[in-house]
Amino acid sequence: TQLLEQSPQFLSIQEGENLTVYCNSSSVFSSLQWYRQEPGEGPVLLVTVVTGGEVKKLKRLTFQFGDARKDSSLHITAAQPGDTGLYLCAGASGTASKLTFGTGTRLQVTL
Amino acid sequence: NAGVTQTPKFQVLKTGQSMTLQCAQDMNHNSMYWYRQDPGMGLRLIYYSASEGTTDKGEVPNGYNVSRLNKREFSLRLESAAPSQTSVYFCASSELFGSSATEAFFGQGTRLTVV
Repeated sequence: TQLLEQSPQFLSIQEGENLTVYCNSSSVFSSLQWYRQEPGEGPVLLVTVVTGGEVKKLKRLTFQFGDARKDSSLHITAAQPGDTGLYLCAGASGTASKLTFGTGTRLQVTL
Repeated sequence: NAGVTQTPKFQVLKTGQSMTLQCAQDMNHNSMYWYRQDPGMGLRLIYYSASEGTTDKGEVPNGYNVSRLNKREFSLRLESAAPSQTSVYFCASSELFGSSATEAFFGQGTRLTVV
């Protein structure tokens, strides 16, 4: 069983602060994705990383895939209330069409 | 542009009742998935289907069955519902090219309560 552990589980910060969310596994993934989910909705894709060591930036969000393709991080600079939500990482295995999600990090950004 | 459509949106069952959750996608994706999400948690994979005619167990398949009726439709059946199956169920589809997954698109979810 592939297990993706995210940390922290909960994060409450004030507007303007920076934060990092981690996604770790003992398994190697062919690609890793980050999603954000808002209450009452399904997750929506933020980014896909496929190469070990890859860094992608999406405005104030920076995503990194570990060199060994077992872990990833999401860094948010100058958080805003609109960043509030559940952040989920998801790994795709190389041998099957199987998309496994992480345990989730719930972020709340207050004024 | 419907994407992934799930029905029903809400359901209350009594313990022991059966029901089928329906899912259809109009994006011509090969891969489809069923997940459950408990309050404040991530998504756990119940079953997935890599292509029409194939299905495989995920992390938590016990108590569920699935059918990949055709390329568009992937249904999830609870034969004898239990309170532990109270959850929000999400269907998703994606296209897998080589060994990398592209974006997974999700339905709106089915909120199931078993009493």
